[in-house]
Amino acid sequence: DTGVSQDPRHKITKRGQNVTFRCDPISEHNRLYWYRQTLGQGPEFLTYFQNEAQLEKSRLLSDRFSAERPKGSFSTLEIQRTEQGDSAMYLCASTSQVQRSYNEQFFGPGTRLTVL
Amino acid sequence: AQSVTQPDIHITVSEGASLELRCNYSYGATPYLFWYVQSPGQGLQLLLKYFSGDTLVQGIKGFEAEFKRSQSSFNLRKPSVHWSDAAEYFCAVGADPLGMRFGAGTRLTVKP
Repeated sequence: DTGVSQDPRHKITKRGQNVTFRCDPISEHNRLYWYRQTLGQGPEFLTYFQNEAQLEKSRLLSDRFSAERPKGSFSTLEIQRTEQGDSAMYLCASTSQVQRSYNEQFFGPGTRLTVL
Repeated sequence: AQSVTQPDIHITVSEGASLELRCNYSYGATPYLFWYVQSPGQGLQLLLKYFSGDTLVQGIKGFEAEFKRSQSSFNLRKPSVHWSDAAEYFCAVGADPLGMRFGAGTRLTVKP
C-alpha cells in the first residue's frame, strides 16, 4: 500500500498524559499537513511542512502541541498534558507541491484520540 | 478569508432517488474546489475536484459537481443513490499553502 499511513489508529489516554502520533506520507510527497477533526465538524488545518521545514501553524495549535518532520519523511505530532478538549480525529495528508501549482492532498485514515 | 458553507447538516434520500448536496464558498481568487466522502471511522476519500476548465466535473462512484462562479457554489449530484453512498460528505476549498478549508459536512442517510 503506497498511501498515507498513520499510527496508532486509536489512542485512549488520561488527562495530563502526553501522546505522540506518527504519519508516513506518500514517499515522493514533499508537503505534509496535519488536521484536527472534532465530532460533527470538518477537518481544521493545524500545521504543514515543506520537506523538513514547518512553515505555518494555525492558532488552533497551542503551546502543548508540537510537530516535527525530521529528514523530510515521516512526521510526528505530540500533545503534552492532554485535555479532554483534545479528543478528536487527527488527520495527516500529503501532496507533491510544485511551485505555483496546486495539487490535491491525499489523506491518511486518521488517529482517533480519546482523553478521559 | 476563505470559507466553505454546507447548509444541510443531514439529508435523507431513498435508494434510487437523485441527490444534490449544496456547497457555497468564499474565496478571493479562482478557487480549487473538492468534494470528499468519509465513512464512519475512515479517512477522507476524494470524489472529485475542480481546478479550471469545464465547470461540470465528473468523479468516482457516479458523482458529478458543477462549479457556478456567479453563485459561488459547487454542488454535488448523483442521479441514483445506492445504499453504500451513506456517509459524510465534505466540500473543501484549496487555500494554498495553508491546507484546505472544509465545510462542516453533510451526513447522508439512504432509506431502503
